[in-house]
Amino acid sequence: DGGITQSPKYLFRKEGQNVTLSCEQNLNHDAMYWYRQDPGQGLRLIYYSQIVNDFQKGDIAEGYSVSREKKESFPLTVTSAQKNPTAFYLCASSKRGRGIRKLFFGSGTQLSVL
Amino acid sequence: AQTVTQSQPEMSVQEAETVTLSCTYDTSESDYYLFWYKQPPSRQMILVIRQEAYKQQNATENRFSVNFQKAAKSFSLKISDSQLGDAAMYFCAYSPINTGNQFYFGTGTSLTVIP
Repeated sequence: DGGITQSPKYLFRKEGQNVTLSCEQNLNHDAMYWYRQDPGQGLRLIYYSQIVNDFQKGDIAEGYSVSREKKESFPLTVTSAQKNPTAFYLCASSKRGRGIRKLFFGSGTQLSVL
Repeated sequence: AQTVTQSQPEMSVQEAETVTLSCTYDTSESDYYLFWYKQPPSRQMILVIRQEAYKQQNATENRFSVNFQKAAKSFSLKISDSQLGDAAMYFCAYSPINTGNQFYFGTGTSLTVIP
């Protein structure tokens, strides 16, 4: 079955450490997204990518980095510069174009600071 | 700026009754999509319903329907015959057709279903 796989489900980060969240999709979608969700808040866009080897910053990109070397994969690195990384992270993908636009989501990664 | 506002942080409904969740959005675009997503305690985001702005007819999916008022920039979700499994966070989202395939989300409404 097609879908989006996020791993790990839970992740712990030590002070000064970089951690990488994995996101893989087999839906053949061009566009992929990373959102951050904090309690009581909506989804805030960190980064998004419309095509391979191209990505744009969202509203809260500081302290995060991404790469898009393959269509299927869009990993997110939470760097030590992100001082408040504890949150639920959602990866999503979408086809581009009219008539077929909707977001498909992975099951999320809960990141906590040790 | 394109924003989505959900003014009801929490709502509750008796089982089998009807509830309406509100959503307004601000945009200068004329062509866009609107969505309602459900996030149950599992935290998996599920698409409930989608509306295309150029269609005047309100979208319906079984017990879920919307009231789309384009001039008022309003997009409410009506849940009929509420069931215990409808308890979740509900997010309204907006996606303009012509600006880069982006999606903008509201802050969500937490729905409790009372048995």
